[in-house]
Amino acid sequence: NAGVMQNPRHLVRRRGQEARLRCSPMKGHSHVYWYRQLPEEGLKFMVYLQKENIIDESGMPKERFSAEFPKEGPSILRIQQVVRGDSAAYFCASSSGGEKLFFGSGTQLSVL
Amino acid sequence: QQPVQSPQAVILREGEDAVINCSSSKALYSVHWYRQKHGEAPVFLMILLKGGEQKGHDKISASFNEKKQQSSLYLTASQLSYSGTYFCGTLHSGAGSYQLTFGKGTKLSVIP
Repeated sequence: NAGVMQNPRHLVRRRGQEARLRCSPMKGHSHVYWYRQLPEEGLKFMVYLQKENIIDESGMPKERFSAEFPKEGPSILRIQQVVRGDSAAYFCASSSGGEKLFFGSGTQLSVL
Repeated sequence: QQPVQSPQAVILREGEDAVINCSSSKALYSVHWYRQKHGEAPVFLMILLKGGEQKGHDKISASFNEKKQQSSLYLTASQLSYSGTYFCGTLHSGAGSYQLTFGKGTKLSVIP
C-alpha cells in the first residue's frame, strides 16, 4: 500500500534549465496539492489539482511555473528557466477529497 | 493569511510537557496539525473543526477555540520520538477552495 511517491528525491539544475518534479498520489486519491518549503519556513501552498483540472493555482508564480495532473500518470510540477531562488524542497500531498493530506517525501531542488 | 505559531522553538527533557499555540487573524473553519522530522514528509496528527472541539490520541491532544481563532497542541510526558517541527495549518471560513495555509512551525527537541 504505497504512500505518496515523489521523484526524484534530489534534483540539481543549472540556471536556465528546466526542472520536472513528479508526484504519484496514494491509490484512490484524485486530489493533489503542491507545496514549497524553504529552510526554517512553513509549507507554502502552490497549487491544487484534480484529475485533468487545476482547481486553485493562487500560490503559483505567474511565470515559469506550471502544473498538471493528467488522466493517466503522475502529477507534474514544471519549472522553466530555473533561477537560484527556486532552490527549495517541493512537497506533494494527496487526498481522497477529505481534509486529511498525505504528504510525499519531497523533492529537494538545487539550482547552481 | 499565514497563522502565527508560538513558541518558535522549545527544548524539553523526556517526560516534560509542552504547549504549542496557533492563532489566526481570520475566522477559521478548521485547524490541522502535522509533525515533520528532519528530511521527512510532514505527518498528519489531527484535525479540529469549528465548534470548539478537543481531540487527542496517546499523549498528544489539541483544542480549538473558535471565538479566539486559535488552537493549542498539548504534548504531555514527552518522549524522544516527539522531536520534530510541528506545523498548524488553517482552513478559513468561506474559502472558495481547499487551500490549507501553514504556519512557520515550532521546532520541538526532546532530550534524555
